[in-house]
Parts: sequence; C-alpha cells; structure tokens
Amino acid sequence: GENVEQHPSTLSVQEGDSAVIKCTYSDSASNYFPWYKQELGKGPQLIIDIRSNVGEKKDQRIAVTLNKTAKHFSLHITETQPEDSAVYFCAASKDSSASKIIFGSGTRLSIRP
Amino acid sequence: DAEITQSPRHKITETGRQVTLACHQTWNHNNMFWYRQDLGHGLRLIHYSYGVQDTNKGEVSDGYSVSRSNTEDLPLTLESAASSQTSVYFCASSTSGGAGEQYFGPGTRLTVT
Repeated sequence: GENVEQHPSTLSVQEGDSAVIKCTYSDSASNYFPWYKQELGKGPQLIIDIRSNVGEKKDQRIAVTLNKTAKHFSLHITETQPEDSAVYFCAASKDSSASKIIFGSGTRLSIRP
Repeated sequence: DAEITQSPRHKITETGRQVTLACHQTWNHNNMFWYRQDLGHGLRLIHYSYGVQDTNKGEVSDGYSVSRSNTEDLPLTLESAASSQTSVYFCASSTSGGAGEQYFGPGTRLTVT
C-alpha cells in the first residue's frame, strides 16, 4: 500500500522567512496530493492540493511542487507570519480508491517573532 | 452552515469497557472516515464508509468497529477498550467521486485507564 514520509518533523523559522516541508510517496498510481494545516485543539483543514497533471500550484503565500518521477512533493510558505504556526500534514491519494487518503507524520512549524 | 461534529470531546474510560464515539455531518457527504492521531504517527485510518450500509477496514482497524445506518452518522465503537487506544480520534467526510477534500471534525480525546 501507499506510504508517505514527511520531513522535517519540527521546523522553526524567523518571521518573514520562508519554510519548506518535503514529502515522498511510494505508490506511483497516486494522483492527488493535499496539504492540511492543524491548529492547536482543532481538526486538520485543507490549505492547498495538487493533482498529478500539474507540477506546481500557488495560492498567495503558499505553493506546492510535485515531481512525479521522483515521487516527491513539497510545501513552500513565503513571508511567514505568526498565524502560520501549526502542524502541517502532507498526504497522497488516488482517484481509484475513492478519497482514501494516506497522511504523512506531520511537521510542527513554529514562527519566531 | 453545514458542519461535522463529534461527541464527546473528551472521554475517560476504563480498560475493558465498550466505548462509542459519535460523528455527525450535515454536508450530505457519502464518504466518512475515522482516524486516530498519535505523536509521531500523524493520522492513521481506522475505518471508512462510502455510503449507507458500507463499511471498510483501514490500516489500524483491530479493536474497532463502525456501522453506517444513515448518511449523516458514522459511530466508532471500541469493543473492549485498551490502554493502547488512548489517542485523539478524528472523524472526516468528503463527497463521492474520486479523491478530494476531507472535512474534519474537532476531535475526541479518549483516555483509557
């Protein structure tokens, strides 16, 4: 089955700097790669996703890149702000499994003022 | 507004007791999921359902069961609670038809003593 590995497990960056979180997946049939943000005491919430027919997607300060050959995808957050502090999860899925998503182990991002 | 709710939010129970965690969504989603979240493991899928009367085992289903008698509810039952089942449990739902965003509930923190 699918296996998703996520690095680093913790990340601390200065406010205003960029943060990068990296993930790899094992199943070459996976074609949907969402990123979820989890704030303290809440459930995860989708922040951005990418499908395998594109290599990059941006939404304001957030961008995701996908390298299907290497089975690698990344989350980039620019101009980090205090409200970006949270746990971030990458995940992988395939349409043929009807929405079943396999999550990475999470990255705790802290923004230093 | 549509939402997904979980109850109770916190539960303490004793080893060997049967426990049921409730999940209710008003999105009218066909797909519903139960995850457990443990430090270092991210979110692991317990059981999932693609519609009424449909249930499927996830990667960590031993000791858990679910039933789907209507679209809105997917209760999770721990048949005989064990200390290893101390965790935070999240319910989620999504529309049918391929991989897509999952909407998560606020979570239930379960402690088995």
